[in-house]
Amino acid sequence: DAKTTQPNSMESNEEEPVHLPCNHSTISGTDYIHWYRQLPSQGPEYVIHGLTSNVNNRMASLAIAEDRKSSTLILHRATLRDAAVYYCILRLGSSNTGKLIFGQGTTLQVKP
Amino acid sequence: DTAVSQTPKYLVTQMGNDKSIKCEQNLGHDTMYWYKQDSKKFLKIMFSYNNKELIINETVPNRFSPKSPDKAHLNLHINSLELGDSAVYFCASSANSGISPLHFGNGTRLTVT
Repeated sequence: DAKTTQPNSMESNEEEPVHLPCNHSTISGTDYIHWYRQLPSQGPEYVIHGLTSNVNNRMASLAIAEDRKSSTLILHRATLRDAAVYYCILRLGSSNTGKLIFGQGTTLQVKP
Repeated sequence: DTAVSQTPKYLVTQMGNDKSIKCEQNLGHDTMYWYKQDSKKFLKIMFSYNNKELIINETVPNRFSPKSPDKAHLNLHINSLELGDSAVYFCASSANSGISPLHFGNGTRLTVT
C-alpha cells in the first residue's frame, strides 16, 4: 500500500482556517485519498475522501493536486473540538479488503 | 443510537487469563474489523470479516480469535493474555470491503497486569 507523509503536529487559532498537508508521491491511479481524525479517547472518525477532483462536505474540504502527489485537508473555521490527530490514508480502489493503513498522522492543536 | 458499540469499555485482567471483547453494529454493514492501538498510538488492523467470512488476518498471534456469529457482530477472544496485549482495541464496520468509509467504535482499553 502506498505511503503518506504528514507533519507531526500543527497549531491553529480558533475560528481560523486550517490547511493540513499530505504528501503521497507514490500514489497509483486507483488509490483514493481518505482522511480520518481521532479525537481524544475516541475511535477514528471519517472526514472526507476523493480521487481526483476537490471535494467538499459539511466537515471539511479536500484539495487534491493535479498530479495527485499531494493533498490538503481544509477546515474552514477551526473550533476547539477540531483538536485531534488527522490521518491521511490511501485506499486501493480495487481492493477487496477495505482495510485502512494508518500512519502517525498530524496532531492538530487549536488555541482559543 | 450508537452505530458501532463495543463492550466492555475498560478491561483490566491478569496475565494468563482469557477474555472477550464484543462488538455490534446497527448500520447494516457487510464488513467488520478489529484494530489495535498501542501505547505509541499507532493503529494497526488485526482482522476483517466480510459477511461473516474472514478476509484479513494480519499476522496476529493465534491467541487472538475473532468470531462473527452474524453480520452485525464481530467478537474478539484473547487466550493466555500477555503484558504486550495491553492496548486499546477498536471495532469498525463499513458498508462493503471496497472504499466505503469505516465507522469505528469508541474502543476497549485492555490492561494486562
